[in-house]
Amino acid sequence: AQTVTQSQPEMSVQEAETVTLSCTYDTSESDYYLFWYKQPPSRQMILVIRQEAYKQQNATENRFSVNFQKAAKSFSLKISDSQLGDAAMYFCAYSAGNNRKLIWGLGTSLAVNP
Amino acid sequence: SAVISQKPSRDICQRGTSLTIQCQVDSQVTMMFWYRQQPGQSLTLIATANQGSEATYESGFVIDKFPISRPNLTFSTLTVSNMSPEDSSIYLCSVVLDGGYTFGSGTRLTVV
Repeated sequence: AQTVTQSQPEMSVQEAETVTLSCTYDTSESDYYLFWYKQPPSRQMILVIRQEAYKQQNATENRFSVNFQKAAKSFSLKISDSQLGDAAMYFCAYSAGNNRKLIWGLGTSLAVNP
Repeated sequence: SAVISQKPSRDICQRGTSLTIQCQVDSQVTMMFWYRQQPGQSLTLIATANQGSEATYESGFVIDKFPISRPNLTFSTLTVSNMSPEDSSIYLCSVVLDGGYTFGSGTRLTVV
């Protein structure tokens, strides 16, 4: 069965510092997609970053980047120059191909300290 | 990516009643997903709704409790029937378009 594991229920970071959120997954598929979503208190689910498994290059979106280790089935999110607005729940998710349902991790609550 | 309008944003309902949640999408999409998110928890998929066919429910969710309509490619409803306090949650709809998943803003349901 496909699973997504986030081993850090809570994390904190000082403003302007860097933090890494962990995610591992289990799958027997060779073609799949991985996502990081942010959910602030407004509860709107916001896509942070997306990675296609067939791409070796790690995805990057401004201050957000991933470390995708396909063999290790690891997909960590690095947030650089953390800002107060980054405080939210972060969910790692997996999809076995286009237009397939998402499998979710339990989430990591990130606090950003001024 | 698609834009979703989800209504209502919140409601407080009496036990034993039903609530229908609506999602309107600004693009035609084949698949729509309905999720439940209990307080402080991750998302749990209730069902996948394709236009023109019956919704596919996940284990633990049944059509009598969560009937879904999908009359066209831009609209869907989820009804939470015969509500109990255990149904108090956030309910979200989601669509996938060109590999990108977009979410409605959620409905916060409180059953008293």
